[in-house]
Amino acid sequence: DAGITQSPRHKVTETGTPVTLRCHQTENHRYMYWYRQDPGHGLRLIHYSYGVKDTDKGEVSDGYSVSRSKTEDFLLTLESATSSQTSVYFCAISGTSGRTSYEQYFGPGTRLTVT
Amino acid sequence: DAKTTQPPSMDCAEGRAANLPCNHSTISGNEYVYWYRQIHSQGPQYIIHGLKNNETNEMASLIITEDRKSSTLILPHATLRDTAVYYCIVRVAAAGGTSYGKLTFGQGTILTVHP
Repeated sequence: DAGITQSPRHKVTETGTPVTLRCHQTENHRYMYWYRQDPGHGLRLIHYSYGVKDTDKGEVSDGYSVSRSKTEDFLLTLESATSSQTSVYFCAISGTSGRTSYEQYFGPGTRLTVT
Repeated sequence: DAKTTQPPSMDCAEGRAANLPCNHSTISGNEYVYWYRQIHSQGPQYIIHGLKNNETNEMASLIITEDRKSSTLILPHATLRDTAVYYCIVRVAAAGGTSYGKLTFGQGTILTVHP
């Protein structure tokens, strides 16, 4: 399995509080992604990164920000959590040197509940 | 990226081959076919990918029709642990730079392997 960890794995927070989720990789992959998964919507891309300090928005980026200060860490921040952000969040990585297919490898997920 | 169509659910007996179809009739010449699966509560898992030739790895085989408008994922000897949602995704392989190779997950096929 690709070396991806997510923390925390479970979190319950109150509406209006800031929340930061962390994705950590040990593979030195260039690309990192944050997805959310909700019933009836499948996985949807929130933000992605194509290098240190290089990030861009995905299809459901409103209410989320990201940062990547070093290759191995990609942080997802909910500045002011809302109940609509209750979801399971997955981090993914891709881009192994020497490969051309750039398949993505996913972390175990973080289950976030906003009350 | 080209759209894919998969049956919503399939059943398979343990030990038998599971053949999961995918239609991608609008696929472009530079688009690959990827297969992922998601076992309940876990992150999606990469299975296999191909461009136009049939591919095989330790997990599965991928058969792509000559016109590339459809493909079949084959799990040669299904086990109970293969029960999962299987996603067929068509996309251009990331070519580096800022290209991030976004994965668009549909609803997939729920494969249930029975004893």
